[in-house]
Formats: sequence, structure tokens, C-alpha cells
Amino acid sequence: GAVVSQHPSRVICKSGTSVKIECRSLDFQATTMFWYRQFPKQSLMLMATSNEGSKATYEQGVEKDKFLINHASLTLSTLTVTSAHPEDSSFYICSASDRAIIGGYTFGSGTRLTVV
Amino acid sequence: AQSVTQLGSHVSVSEGALVLLRCNYSSSVPPYLFWYVQYPNQGLQLLLKYTSAATLVKGINGFEAEFKKSETSFHLTKPSAHMSDAAEYFCAVSERDDKIIFGKGTRLHILP
Repeated sequence: GAVVSQHPSRVICKSGTSVKIECRSLDFQATTMFWYRQFPKQSLMLMATSNEGSKATYEQGVEKDKFLINHASLTLSTLTVTSAHPEDSSFYICSASDRAIIGGYTFGSGTRLTVV
Repeated sequence: AQSVTQLGSHVSVSEGALVLLRCNYSSSVPPYLFWYVQYPNQGLQLLLKYTSAATLVKGINGFEAEFKKSETSFHLTKPSAHMSDAAEYFCAVSERDDKIIFGKGTRLHILP
């Protein structure tokens, strides 16, 4: 079946630095990818939708200058958390949409970001 | 815009008993509906999905869900709970390959 590879799985960074998270669709082309954030014991909140070759669409309340999303190819989307602060510590999960399958969403395994 | 409401943030059932997790949705178009399971510190695993074919959907690990348009519901059931079913369960909705929106989740506890 469809596989989405997300890495790193865990990252610890210092306040003020930037962190890049990658999301790759391994065996299908993903024209659309989604980025979610999950706080402990809470649900997944959609941050943004990225379409290959165009600007990402951010959900209300998500700072686009802080969470930079790039979807340069049909198999790769990246999320960069810029100037990270402790409150950005969270679990980030990507999802890729396989248009060849009805309801074909595949999720990455997530990235645990800890900002110290 | 689509939305999902999961009734009960925590549900406890005895091992071997029926599992029922409730989900109601709102959508302006015929939706796609999903149930996912998440174990601690892990990603999401798809249990089952409804994409406008049969209204009774069978998934993995003995779970199934029934789409009821008149009730705007998509409740998840399993006839006999197992200890390994203890996890967080998320109901989700999408409007035809648009973004997926998740419910707040239900923590399932299995009592020995």
C-alpha cells in the first residue's frame, strides 16, 4: 500500500533555531499534502494544505512566516519551524493524498519536536 | 465546512464486551468518513473508511462502522473488546478528497 515517510521522528532543538521536517510519498505522487499538529492528549489540528508547485494554504491562526511549507515536487513536502520556541514543542504529522485511490490519505509516522 | 463531533472523551468497557464509539459529522456535500486509531507516541493507523459504497464498512481488527445519513452518524463498533484495543480513536471527515478534519478523539479503556 501507499507509504509516507516522515523524518526525523524526533528532534530536539534550541530556542531560536529552525527545524525542517520532511514528508515523502514513497510509491505514489502526492499533488496535495497536509500538515497537522497534535498537542499532548489532544486531537490533530490541520495547519496547512500544500499543493505541488504552489503556495500553501494555511488554516486560520497559523503563522505562515513561522511555519514555512514547501512542496517542490510530487513526492516531497517540507515543514520548517522557524525561530522555534518552547511553545512550538509538539507532535507534527503529515498526510499525503493519493488521487488514484478514493479517500486515499496516507499519514506519516509523525515528528516529535522538543524546543529547549 | 465539515466538522466532526465525538461523544465521550473517555469510554471504558470490560474485556469481551461490546465497543461503541460515537461519531457525528457535518458536511455540505456527501462526505468521506474515517476512523483512525493512535497508540501512545505513535502515528495514525486507518481502521476503516466510508467512501459512498456500502453503508456498513468493515475494517481491521474486527472493527466496523455504519454510515447513517439520516442521523449524520458514523459510529464505530466491535463485538468483543480486547486489551490490545486500548488506544485513542479519532473519527474524521473529508469533503471528497479535500482536507481531513478530525474529531477530538475518544480514549478507549479496557477493563480486565
